[in-house]
Amino acid sequence: EVQLVESGGGLVQPGGSLRLSCAASGFTVSSNYMSWVRQAPGKGLEWVSVIYSGGRTYYSDSVKGRFTISRDNSKNTLYLQMNSLRAEDTAVYYCARDRTPTFWGQGTLVTVSS
Amino acid sequence: AIQMTQSPSSLSASVGDRVTITCRASQGIRNDLGWYQQKPGKAPKLLIYGANTLERGVPSRFSGSGSDTDFTLTISSLQPEDFATYYCLQDNNYPATFGQGTKVEIK
Repeated sequence: EVQLVESGGGLVQPGGSLRLSCAASGFTVSSNYMSWVRQAPGKGLEWVSVIYSGGRTYYSDSVKGRFTISRDNSKNTLYLQMNSLRAEDTAVYYCARDRTPTFWGQGTLVTVSS
Repeated sequence: AIQMTQSPSSLSASVGDRVTITCRASQGIRNDLGWYQQKPGKAPKLLIYGANTLERGVPSRFSGSGSDTDFTLTISSLQPEDFATYYCLQDNNYPATFGQGTKVEIK
């Protein structure tokens, strides 16, 4: 059974850093497109980043240069390193599998506030 | 980045109604479009991919159509469990982009 479990969210001050993890089971992360999507409280969905099976990465303009997507093949885990966090990064962050995301995790809440 | 303009932003409908939601892309995206349903506090659920292919397990009352810049999600006969927010997503060109969402409410 395909499962995605995010972790690492929490409260962080503006300018701080956080690393989100997405532990996968039932499939191999490195063989699939893997994405991060976020949703600010009461707002719509916002695509954040993707990593191809071949390793190529893309980012939304709003996070480019601040966020880094990566994976650990030995742990079958996807990551999102978030630096220079801003209040507008406050959101539930979902990881998802496939180019048109099919399988989603339950999300982890990141709150950026002083 | 490609902009996805989704309409309407909300609608009120009754059980049994036919509902149509549209998305327009700011440039051609072939048929690289998906439709999602999201209920409060839950992750989105994929309904349609490739603009018109029904995801496995999704009821046949959902259908998608369109290509290039104009796309439609149709619910042929609205059911109580369909009251939710719907989003389109283009993945033709990165960064991928979502529409603003359509909230389907009970009339």
